[in-house]
Formats: sequence, structure tokens, C-alpha cells
Amino acid sequence: EAEVAQSPRYKITEKSQAVAFWCDPISGHATLYWYRQILGQGPELLVQFQDESVVDDSQLPKDRFSAERLKGVDSTLKIQPAELGDSAMYLCASSLGTAGNTIYFGEGSWLTVV
Amino acid sequence: GENVEQHPSTLSVQEGDSAVIKCTYSDSASNYFPWYKQELGKRPQLIIDIRSNVGEKKDQRIAVTLNKTAKHFSLHITETQPEDSAVYFCAARGLGQNFVFGPGTRLSVLP
Repeated sequence: EAEVAQSPRYKITEKSQAVAFWCDPISGHATLYWYRQILGQGPELLVQFQDESVVDDSQLPKDRFSAERLKGVDSTLKIQPAELGDSAMYLCASSLGTAGNTIYFGEGSWLTVV
Repeated sequence: GENVEQHPSTLSVQEGDSAVIKCTYSDSASNYFPWYKQELGKRPQLIIDIRSNVGEKKDQRIAVTLNKTAKHFSLHITETQPEDSAVYFCAARGLGQNFVFGPGTRLSVLP
């Protein structure tokens, strides 16, 4: 069964450092999402791509977060500089399209900022 | 934008009993409502979903009901088992195509 791949699974970084996460969606999935999940809460959307275009990044803290999906396949989420409050799980998800399609999550990348 | 509320936040049931989790949404244009199960440290996994043109859907011990007029949908788990213990998230997707998740319900099934 095809899965969404993410790396790294775990990352510990010092505040003010840069950190990056990578995601490879299920083959053929045009829509890619990055969610942030704080322990004990539901996932919150950071950015949504349709192919290589950003569809929604209204909740992305653009002063420190950036995301790209240059060729419309895999994607990178970057945080610079990292802050203590960024400690969370970063989930990537993908779907075939946006019209009623189920989204499938990757295993997530756990970030701890110390 | 869409807002999804979920109740209860925690739920404990005896093995074999039923569990019900309810979600309400704010955007009347939302048309797709999935439920995810998340075990500790793992990814959310889809367990059942329902579209706005259907009132109820069932898959073995799991069912979801949708009341579009009242803008709420519920997850029903019958004959609960210890392996059903997890956090359950509802979500709603509206015209903006973004999935908005509820805050989650921690279900504990006591043997």
C-alpha cells in the first residue's frame, strides 16, 4: 500500500537554528498538505498545495516558515529561526485532488526545540 | 472560515459497550466529513467518512451519522474493544477545500 513518506521522523534543534522537513506524497496525488499538531490537539493546516501552487497558506507564520513544492511532487517545509513554541509534530498529507477526496497522512516529523 | 467542535474531550467505556462522539461544524457548505483514529505517536488514519448527500454510513462496528440541518455528525462504535482505545478526530471540508479538524476525543476502553 502506497504511503506518504516523511523525514526526519525526529528532530531536536536549538532555538534560533534552522530546520527542514521533507515529504513525498503518494504517487499521483496532486494535493499536498502540511499540518502542525501540538500534543493533545487536532492537526492545524499550515499550507496546502495543488500541484506546485500554493492554495492556502493563511495560517503559515511567514516570518519564519516557508514551504515549497517546486516540481509538484515532493515538498519541503522550513523553519528559520526555530522558536520554543514550534515544538510539535509536523504532518504531511496528500490527496488525489480537492473535490471530496480522502487525505492520507504520513508518519509525521516530531520537532523539539530546546 | 470553518470551525469544528468535538465532544466529549475524553470518554471512558467498558469493553463491549458503545461509544459515541459528536462533532458540530459551522460552514453549511461543508460537504465531506471524515473520522480519523490516532494511536499514540502514530499518524492519523482514516476509519470512516461520509459525504453530505448521505445520512448514515456503516462499516462493521463503526457508523457515522450526519444531520445537515443541525450541522452535526457523530461517530458510533459498538461492541468496543481495548484496541479501540485511541484519540479520534473528526474533520469537515468546505468550499475552501481545506480540512478543518476537531480538537479530538481520547477514548479509553476499559477491560
